[in-house]
Amino acid sequence: QQQVKQSPQSLIVQKGGISIINCAYENTAFDYFPWYQQFPGKGPALLIAIRPDVSEKKEGRFTISFNKSAKQFSLHIMDSQPGDSATYFCAASMGFQKLVFGTGTRLLVSP
Amino acid sequence: SAVISQKPSRDICQRGTSLTIQCQVDSQVTMMFWYRQQPGQSLTLIATANQGSEATYESGFVIDKFPISRPNLTFSTLTVSNMSPEDSSIYLCSARRGGADTQYFGPGTRLTVL
Repeated sequence: QQQVKQSPQSLIVQKGGISIINCAYENTAFDYFPWYQQFPGKGPALLIAIRPDVSEKKEGRFTISFNKSAKQFSLHIMDSQPGDSATYFCAASMGFQKLVFGTGTRLLVSP
Repeated sequence: SAVISQKPSRDICQRGTSLTIQCQVDSQVTMMFWYRQQPGQSLTLIATANQGSEATYESGFVIDKFPISRPNLTFSTLTVSNMSPEDSSIYLCSARRGGADTQYFGPGTRLTVL
């Protein structure tokens, strides 16, 4: 119940295209859903996060879509750029407790 | 935000030895965490470092192997004891302020055990 399932494992997108990464969870007590971006040799950095009281949150080219009934959330990267090439992790937590991470998606944006 | 630094950034160690990794946060935080990340893999929580008390370890991790100290609200250490090649990994320090969701990560320490 503590797992967060993430797909796809890897993704190749053309420059200017839309990158979509999906996550699913089982524990309905989760109340915080962040996405982290990690470049090689660096620690993960918070990209965007959402709480289940909203269905969508947008920050620049990055959007989280949240479907509470389906227990799924996804990251959309609009107008994907080569600089977006990184590994993306979804995560979930409840009540300020520890984060549970997805397995990660390696995104490559081709020029 | 919080800026987290770790020392060393990388190290190559011999089997059977121990390495202590330091984590410094630029401001006081309530919670500090230590993670392990195998190359190309996700993050696995080792333990929560508690200020003034013993760390809380996740299943599969024990204090004798990964002793943790947290003497104040900005600093913590993780020791990897009696190392074997299986301990080769990236070790990440993370921190969060009380009542806040955002969790920050350090740059990681890349450990290779020969």
